[in-house]
Amino acid sequence: DTAVSQTPKYLVTQMGNDKSIKCEQNLGHDTMYWYKQDSKKFLKIMFSYNNKELIINETVPNRFSPKSPDKAHLNLHINSLELGDSAVYFCASSQGWGAGNYGYTFGSGTRLTVV
Amino acid sequence: LAKTTQPISMDSYEGQEVNITCSHNNIATNDYITWYQQFPSQGPRFIIQGYKTKVTNEVASLFIPADRKSSTLSLPRVSLSDTAVYYCLVGEGLGGYQKVTFGIGTKLQVIP
Repeated sequence: DTAVSQTPKYLVTQMGNDKSIKCEQNLGHDTMYWYKQDSKKFLKIMFSYNNKELIINETVPNRFSPKSPDKAHLNLHINSLELGDSAVYFCASSQGWGAGNYGYTFGSGTRLTVV
Repeated sequence: LAKTTQPISMDSYEGQEVNITCSHNNIATNDYITWYQQFPSQGPRFIIQGYKTKVTNEVASLFIPADRKSSTLSLPRVSLSDTAVYYCLVGEGLGGYQKVTFGIGTKLQVIP
């Protein structure tokens, strides 16, 4: 059983397109996150939801819009894709607030390539 | 946000003990220290977490001195499968607003 699952695993698309990445966790965790890992392997938080409520919204373009229909799902929709959006996007979850005391569980990532 | 500093890379031979040190000079009183391991094409995986002194589990040990301004992840007798990137994280506090960002990590290469 996959604890945090993301789909798709790979996504190749043209500039200007709109795409979505889906994430689901079956751990019963309260908090879910989206992270972006760029080509230099720097892993940076984008969004965090706690019980479907947006908690963290880092400085990302408003072309990125997260949606949490319930606390087990956190999807990421990206409008008007740009070359610089190419990266690996990781979904994660944790029990309670943040990861300082409980640890994150990560998905296996979605490699997005914009051409 | 407590900033962390780690070596960018390390090499080790199989069977050796590896120690990776992380500096976090402005760690807050309520902050915990957490280490993650990331293999290529996978998400980071939780290894160990501690607050002070020493913590040991089946995978690693974590040593934290009294001033908590640094921590050392110790991997006993590494094997080739321990080749990965290791991240040190310092949480922003108990139950509060969390904005944890991973640093660039330490790339460990285990050599046969």
